[in-house]
Amino acid sequence: NAGVTQTPKFRILKIGQSMTLQCAQDMNHNYMYWYRQDPGMGLKLIYYSVGAGITDKGEVPNGYNVSRSTTEDFPLRLELAAPSQTSVYFCASRSGDNADTIYFGEGSWLTVV
Amino acid sequence: AQSVTQPDIHITVSEGASLELRCNYSYGATPYLFWYVQSPGQGLQLLLKYFSGDTLVQGIKGFEAEFKRSQSSFNLRKPSVHWSDAAEYFCAVISNFGNEKLTFGTGTRLTIIP
Repeated sequence: NAGVTQTPKFRILKIGQSMTLQCAQDMNHNYMYWYRQDPGMGLKLIYYSVGAGITDKGEVPNGYNVSRSTTEDFPLRLELAAPSQTSVYFCASRSGDNADTIYFGEGSWLTVV
Repeated sequence: AQSVTQPDIHITVSEGASLELRCNYSYGATPYLFWYVQSPGQGLQLLLKYFSGDTLVQGIKGFEAEFKRSQSSFNLRKPSVHWSDAAEYFCAVISNFGNEKLTFGTGTRLTIIP
């Protein structure tokens, strides 16, 4: 049981490049989330999903896309990287049952230059 | 829309003194409430959570929080802080009906002085 796994941990992108941040969980959780955390700031919700095939926008979805084709995976896509997307990205998952616990990945540090 | 407010951006406390970090939420029904701690360059660690029942919740590292429905608050407390408690603290909320967004407050940075 690996929990929530994010890859890559570190990445430097050039402006205009695209990339996908991977997030996988092996706990059969329905709910998955993507956040970004800018230096000295809190976590802002980018997108979330309540189950396979269902995604919804959070507070700051512009410039990102997600998909949820399986329960396990919730990749975050940056199509045209901009310096404003320099941030730390966290993926999280939870079961949604009464004994709910939220599991976080270790974070992905992304720099756009 | 649900929201979480942490009114204190930065708090400084002497080692051994008591601590209270404030958190207010905005949501009609009873939400699920969480407190997380984040050390510099690290991920988030769950301190405690409230779903229902006893409104005083005990967590790890000697922390506790009290849910007060009348004040829409979920303040975090510790009787005596240690230098290792210096970190960023985040309050978070999930609505337990319909919208399943997990929303975080902007955080409170805690500094401990000798």
